[in-house]
Amino acid sequence: AQSVTQLGSHVSVSEGALVLLRCNYSSSVPPYLFWYVQYPNQGLQLLLKYTTGATLVKGINGFEAEFKKSETSFHLTKPSAHMSDAAEYFCAVSPLGGYQKVTFGIGTKLQVIP
Amino acid sequence: DGGITQSPKYLFRKEGQNVTLSCEQNLNHDAMYWYRQDPGQGLRLIYYSQIVNDFQKGDIAEGYSVSREKKESFPLTVTSAQKNPTAFYLCASSGDRKNTEAFFGQGTRLTVV
Repeated sequence: AQSVTQLGSHVSVSEGALVLLRCNYSSSVPPYLFWYVQYPNQGLQLLLKYTTGATLVKGINGFEAEFKKSETSFHLTKPSAHMSDAAEYFCAVSPLGGYQKVTFGIGTKLQVIP
Repeated sequence: DGGITQSPKYLFRKEGQNVTLSCEQNLNHDAMYWYRQDPGQGLRLIYYSQIVNDFQKGDIAEGYSVSREKKESFPLTVTSAQKNPTAFYLCASSGDRKNTEAFFGQGTRLTVV
């Protein structure tokens, strides 16, 4: 069994400020972890993923996330928000290996204030 | 270019009519998925298929049906039994055994009037 909790359905930051989107997961087996971004009326685009190895993962558009096993967390950060970062962000988890369905969090809408 | 194509992007239907949403992928992926997205509820899994001619119900399968006759195609039918069909529908696929990353189509917005 697995689940994902995204803390904060809406987050607002000022342009140039730090972006921090929180994600905690539970999984009975070692997980794969993902962050996706969705712009209005679009599909989901992968930002970054953790599978194995280095726990700090760098993705596209300057985003990064750190897998912390002890905290069962995979928070998404970006040092300086840009207006184009305004979108909805989804954290997801899947079990390690094999064909399994991915479980998504409910999403966090990021608003960037000029 | 490889990817997932959903069509149409916008779809309007009258209440009581069945409607089929198309999803085609050329990524050679074995697994395909249908999700429903409603505001504030994230993505909910409707059906998934791990192999041709086999599919499994997800969390909200009632009122929906699927088929998987070809590896590339996974159409979703929204039947008249679905009580609240207006939503944004997303199709996805995932590939090799070592990496279950999902790739998504651009979605179909279904409005039932």
